[in-house]
Amino acid sequence: ETGVTQTPRHLVMGMTNKKSLKCEQHLGHNAMYWYKQSAKKPLELMFVYSLEERVENNSVPSRFSPECPNSSHLFLHLHTLQPEDSALYLCASSQAWAGPQGTDTQYFGPGTRLTVL
Amino acid sequence: AQTVTQSQPEMSVQEAETVTLSCTYDTSESDYYLFWYKQPPSRQMILVIRQEAYKQQNATENRFSVNFQKAAKSFSLKISDSQLGDAAMYFCAYRSRPNSGNTPLVFGKGTRLSVIA
Repeated sequence: ETGVTQTPRHLVMGMTNKKSLKCEQHLGHNAMYWYKQSAKKPLELMFVYSLEERVENNSVPSRFSPECPNSSHLFLHLHTLQPEDSALYLCASSQAWAGPQGTDTQYFGPGTRLTVL
Repeated sequence: AQTVTQSQPEMSVQEAETVTLSCTYDTSESDYYLFWYKQPPSRQMILVIRQEAYKQQNATENRFSVNFQKAAKSFSLKISDSQLGDAAMYFCAYRSRPNSGNTPLVFGKGTRLSVIA
């Protein structure tokens, strides 16, 4: 596997279910991100982990719970979601800090298409 | 806060022709990065091209080039010799250059490009 992978690619869940999205990066990066992509809206940053510590939580509801056990893996735990949470969830990774002349470009996974019934 | 505007929700181009996608942004910062990402129907977000604001020379990557006008806060993408595989959603994105640590990407709403055979 190369790049950034995400599983599952598609997920359908009821509002009372608990599920988790998984992201894995094979690029040697040490920062990882969760984005939400809804129809007709710009990509929304949800969480940022840098060196395995959460550095940003973009006012995301508590029914979304991220976990970053190491620099290669990122999870998004879901519970009691609402139908409006249906979206494409994208994971990305980058270098945490490449220095003043560095370019810490983000590379994206294929996404998980989530449908909440 | 920074904002990114893509004023063309949809564009089309004949195969082998040239098309330009527009992007403007709003920022009070003087040093930052700009990106164009491509998202084909497979949903994998792919980096197309990157520009550092401190560089006056426009970035190029094969058939892709940008017209970066810093004073006008404009960052358009030109695709030459368009191919069927260029059909995708194109996102313009902005990122502050941090003094340390991470800064998030701010995305535009995207432009859907169709390529006509």
